[in-house]
Amino acid sequence: GQQVMQIPQYQHVQEGEDFTTYCNSSTTLSNIQWYKQRPGGHPVFLIQLVKSGEVKKQKRLTFQFGEAKKNSSLHITATQTTDVGTYFCAGQSNTGKLIFGQGTTLQVKP
Amino acid sequence: GAGVSQSPSNKVTEKGKDVELRCDPISGHTALYWYRQSLGQGLEFLIYFQGNSAPDKSGLPSDRFSAERTGGSVSTLTIQRTQQEDSAVYLCASSPWVGPSYEQYFGPGTRLTVT
Repeated sequence: GQQVMQIPQYQHVQEGEDFTTYCNSSTTLSNIQWYKQRPGGHPVFLIQLVKSGEVKKQKRLTFQFGEAKKNSSLHITATQTTDVGTYFCAGQSNTGKLIFGQGTTLQVKP
Repeated sequence: GAGVSQSPSNKVTEKGKDVELRCDPISGHTALYWYRQSLGQGLEFLIYFQGNSAPDKSGLPSDRFSAERTGGSVSTLTIQRTQQEDSAVYLCASSPWVGPSYEQYFGPGTRLTVT
């Protein structure tokens, strides 16, 4: 069945360093969504990408959707301790079902 | 307005007992999803409902798991004869439409512990 793979599973960075998580789908996606889950919390929607090659920015966060609509990335510039949490990508197939990646857990050392 | 609510927030049960977990989606949201999240793990899809269509049950791990959605609103996830491996946080999410352009709004989850 359709799968969404996300790497790395864990990432430890020093505050101020950059961070990137990557997401790959086995099939072409209608769109891709990104969520953040703080420790002890529930996933919260960050952004959605729909168009091939789309790039969106939210302050220090940059989201990209691949040309083939099968991969995506989230890049955080100059991490802060408030960025700690698990970042999930979720691909939406043409049937409407949202399939989540396994998530990347980010730890930031102050 | 009110977000997605789930009850109970915590449930401790003995192995072999049945449990019911409740989800109240955001009013007007036609799509409802159930996920399971074990400690430190990702989101495991269980089931989703969209309007009056037959639910997608492809993620239910065994026939001990079932879910209903009454009147297109409240949903109940039932786990029969609970096992210790059922211990996890069960998350519910709703969305205004199952389509290409709508985010999911998650509830706070129910933490289930099977002793």
